[in-house]
Amino acid sequence: QQQVKQSPQSLIVQKGGISIINCAYENTAFDYFPWYQQFPGKGPALLIAIRPDVSEKKEGRFTISFNKSAKQFSLHIMDSQPGDSATYFCAARATGNQFYFGTGTSLTVIP
Amino acid sequence: NAGVTQTPKFRILKIGQSMTLQCAQDMNHNYMYWYRQDPGMGLKLIYYSVGAGITDKGEVPNGYNVSRSTTEDFPLRLELAAPSQTSVYFCASKLAGGMYNEQFFGPGTRLTVL
Repeated sequence: QQQVKQSPQSLIVQKGGISIINCAYENTAFDYFPWYQQFPGKGPALLIAIRPDVSEKKEGRFTISFNKSAKQFSLHIMDSQPGDSATYFCAARATGNQFYFGTGTSLTVIP
Repeated sequence: NAGVTQTPKFRILKIGQSMTLQCAQDMNHNYMYWYRQDPGMGLKLIYYSVGAGITDKGEVPNGYNVSRSTTEDFPLRLELAAPSQTSVYFCASKLAGGMYNEQFFGPGTRLTVL
């Protein structure tokens, strides 16, 4: 059973456009929601993260929106660039520091 | 700092063979994790450890074993390799203490079981 559901599976965006990736969860005990970026042949790297008591967090062109009542959160990439082309994973942390990951979104930004 | 290192980078095993995937970190992190990544499935937690001598099962522990004798090392053992264990394996580590400490990943080991 997938604890964190992620969509879309793939996304193609024009340079300068907005990329939006969505995640949903059921377990209300999750207490931390990071997003990871992964380039081919590399391990995932932390991109941005949010706590459930915050509705939005912005770091540069990357923003997480968090809706606690709907149990959904999303990543917005503004002014998408070809260098943003990568696979993005949402995740959620459970009690005991176990992390559950979404299935990933392959983002392609076309020049 | 080298961060999180994993060896080997690639390995091909025959069904029934055994092997150990090595993971080491030099950041003095308490938490260490093993994940497997399969296409379209994201990362699944296999085992994790909160410190030397302490390990616990994750979502998909069957067919694997771990040990943690030192803070730095967290090897993953496959005893009887099966084709279902073909995957990319990532080790990660995290400092304990702060609620929001970052998890650092190694470069991965690509394993094929034929």
